[in-house]
Amino acid sequence: QVQLVQSGAEVKKPGASVKVSCKASGYTFTAYYMHWVRQAPGQGLEWMGWINPNSGGTNYAQKFQGWVTMTRDTSISTAYMELSRLRSDDTAVYYCARMGILVRGFDYWGQGSLVTVSS
Amino acid sequence: IQLTQSPSFLSASVGDRVTITCRASQGISSYLAWYQQKPGKAPKLLIYAASTLQSGVPSRFSGSGSGTEFTLTISSLQPEDFATYYCQQLNSYPRTFGGGTKVEIK
Repeated sequence: QVQLVQSGAEVKKPGASVKVSCKASGYTFTAYYMHWVRQAPGQGLEWMGWINPNSGGTNYAQKFQGWVTMTRDTSISTAYMELSRLRSDDTAVYYCARMGILVRGFDYWGQGSLVTVSS
Repeated sequence: IQLTQSPSFLSASVGDRVTITCRASQGISSYLAWYQQKPGKAPKLLIYAASTLQSGVPSRFSGSGSGTEFTLTISSLQPEDFATYYCQQLNSYPRTFGGGTKVEIK
């Protein structure tokens, strides 16, 4: 069965960076784009961008350009999202989500990784 | 593309028919998905391509619309349906979400 398992919660100071991992299993990792979505406490969903695990190509939301880096390691079927220069309003749950091929939507999601930014 | 959901909150009883609307600021054809999110959990895909039910989702959920106006309907609300619902457009970047509709028990 398809599973996306994310890394655990992190506490970071303002100005630091965080790297969240998303390990995929149960399907061919390189066949599906991986998206990242975040959700601040009590707020809605915000799309951050995607990575093509096959080519490593990326597409970031304009808001996050120059600030987010999405990478992957195909040998261990894992995608990564690194956010730099953290601010307190980056406190959120970060999700990875697989984009379906025939299913035009995010058909599988990771469990979420809480990142808390606090001095 | 901005997505506006209405209402942002609704109170309903088990067995009620519930309709949530999502309006896009410009046409997105049928590139719209609906998700359900329960507290502390990741969103779950319910419907894609505006009206196609994702595998395993109960048939009481249905979606309709194209262009700029879309609806999600729950034909008979069940206790497990109390959650927050989001629409998302997949027509262009960024892949924006609506603000959400929280469905609570009356």
